[in-house]
Amino acid sequence: GQNIDQPTEMTATEGAIVQINCTYQTSGFNGLFWYQQHAGEAPTFLSYNVLDGLEEKGRFSSFLSRSKGYSYLLLKELQMKDSASYLCAVRNTGRRALTFGSGTRLQVQP
Amino acid sequence: DSGVTQTPKHLITATGQRVTLRCSPRSGDLSVYWYQQSLDQGLQFLIQYYNGEERAKGNILERFSAQQFPDLHSELNLSSLELGDSALYFCASSPSAGDTQYFGPGTRLTVL
Repeated sequence: GQNIDQPTEMTATEGAIVQINCTYQTSGFNGLFWYQQHAGEAPTFLSYNVLDGLEEKGRFSSFLSRSKGYSYLLLKELQMKDSASYLCAVRNTGRRALTFGSGTRLQVQP
Repeated sequence: DSGVTQTPKHLITATGQRVTLRCSPRSGDLSVYWYQQSLDQGLQFLIQYYNGEERAKGNILERFSAQQFPDLHSELNLSSLELGDSALYFCASSPSAGDTQYFGPGTRLTVL
């Protein structure tokens, strides 16, 4: 089976940097995804990592360490609109569907 | 806008009833996925189709079934509805199995 852990809630200040961690245990790892989801809306794709290292996309970066079963999403220059849930999801080689963590609810304060 | 469409947006029905949720994938995407999201749970994978064939099954109840049609749209059928089936149901699509998934706006189902 798969097990994915993320903090339930985080709070950060507008303009600051926040790091959201995700740890996972799975057999046959084949990629990790980050999605953003505003309340009541659809998840939207943010980033994808399959090899170790950092992927940067504007204000958002995602890091993966396969040996440690660990990823983080880094959000820079936080804006109020970044208040949302951030979902970590793992894909394994056997099944092409994604297994999602419970999500981290981020609140950005002025 | 992801390009994935779902209808209806909202659905209110009674226990014991049957409903059908519809999903049209992005143009060119062959794979469709269904997820359930309840208030007290995260996104739960239900079932995946690829080019008309069932590819993977998750935590889908026997009361639920789905299919993907030749035009690649998909329907999720929920029967003998219970209060606990109230949730957001999302459809996602990807070009092929395992590619990045793009989610539709969801159908909010309320069972009274």
